Amino acid sequence: KQEVTQIPAALSVPEGENLVLNCSFTDSAIYNLQWFRQDPGKGLTSLLLIQSSQREQTSGRLNASLDKSSGRSTLYIAASQPGDSATYLCAGGDTGRRALTFGSGTRLQVQP
Amino acid sequence: GAVVSQHPSWVICKSGTSVKIECRSLDFQATTMFWYRQFPKQSLMLMATSNEGSKATYEQGVEKDKFLINHASLTLSTLTVTSAHPEDSSFYICSARVKQKTEAFFGQGTRLTVV
Repeated sequence: KQEVTQIPAALSVPEGENLVLNCSFTDSAIYNLQWFRQDPGKGLTSLLLIQSSQREQTSGRLNASLDKSSGRSTLYIAASQPGDSATYLCAGGDTGRRALTFGSGTRLQVQP
Repeated sequence: GAVVSQHPSWVICKSGTSVKIECRSLDFQATTMFWYRQFPKQSLMLMATSNEGSKATYEQGVEKDKFLINHASLTLSTLTVTSAHPEDSSFYICSARVKQKTEAFFGQGTRLTVV
């Protein structure tokens, strides 16, 4: 059964800093890997989706990578802003039903 | 883009009553819908998977008689929490996917509070 772990659980950085969020998964037979943002009390906003055949995806200041052999994904946020403060979740999709297994999230605080 | 609408966004109900949550795919036909729940300060956990016209598949530990899922059409799935208790208070969120596409799209979520 897939297990997804995110490190660190919480992170506080000053505005403008570049940062990396880490995600690891146990089953390399992953269908895709998706990063989400969740604001307090809100739903999910999809940030990036990486297919199993891809190595990375980029959107604006965000870059996500996927290394299936090592069971790792990273989300790189460039030039962080206070508006980036949120919880970031990574989730791995299984090859069968395509359901997602979520990590416990990294709570990011960007200080102005 | 694909839009999934979930209703209501929040609901408060009395212990022992039932609550129905709707999940609609607005601009696509969802062959599969997933229901997740999230307890405070925890991550999302899959509750069940439903395919249109067939019975839902529940994850281990999720009571199928308590959480009734109906996926009667390709655009609508409902989750009914029966005889709700305070411990059922949680954030429930659905997602839907099309057979040909790999990405699942999420609704806005429903915050259920049972008093």
